[in-house]
Amino acid sequence: DAGVTQSPTHLIKTRGQQVTLRCSPKSGHDTVSWYQQALGQGPQFIFQYYEEEERQRGNFPDRFSGHQFPNYSSELNVNALLLGDSALYLCASSSLRSSNEKLFFGSGTQLSVL
Amino acid sequence: QQQVKQSPQSLIVQKGGISIINCAYENTAFDYFPWYQQFPGKGPALLIAIRPDVSEKKEGRFTISFNKSAKQFSLHIMDSQPGDSATYFCAASLNDNNDMRFGAGTRLTVKP
Repeated sequence: DAGVTQSPTHLIKTRGQQVTLRCSPKSGHDTVSWYQQALGQGPQFIFQYYEEEERQRGNFPDRFSGHQFPNYSSELNVNALLLGDSALYLCASSSLRSSNEKLFFGSGTQLSVL
Repeated sequence: QQQVKQSPQSLIVQKGGISIINCAYENTAFDYFPWYQQFPGKGPALLIAIRPDVSEKKEGRFTISFNKSAKQFSLHIMDSQPGDSATYFCAASLNDNNDMRFGAGTRLTVKP
């Protein structure tokens, strides 16, 4: 049983560009959350998707947007990239129907903005 | 946005010793307090979690102590092993897996 898978693992972009990161949740999970982890810091919540809708959002600008597909996979899009967007982007999946389910994290996408 | 403060930033412990990491939170509405372990190049993995209706939870060598009145909780790793060397994050949330607020992390090194 594959856990949470993210692609790509690494990405290099330049300022002003746009980027799309992808995530497939753990089998049986219906909810996907995205986190940004800056170097030496804890993850910060970006937003959460359930039933193809943004259910909750953290303190991130509108440049950060997302999508969830009918198969529960998800994308994170970041527009007009800034140097400060360089970070590890983590996807986590869980089951809203089963509150006892753990939050499972993928290994992340390391984004470098030059 | 950070509502969870974690200390120390780094910790060095001898093999067989006890590792203790502390966290303090601000929002009294938090009702779920997990600890995550993260190895380099990997995402965080849930280690152990507690809810505010109990003061202690133990799973193997890992124990969470929870002090609701002080708004503090801590992770104790007994008989620390070199394989425990990793970064540990405390976290808190209002509703299980929603909008988890993480501490800044503690880098634990267990010397053989």
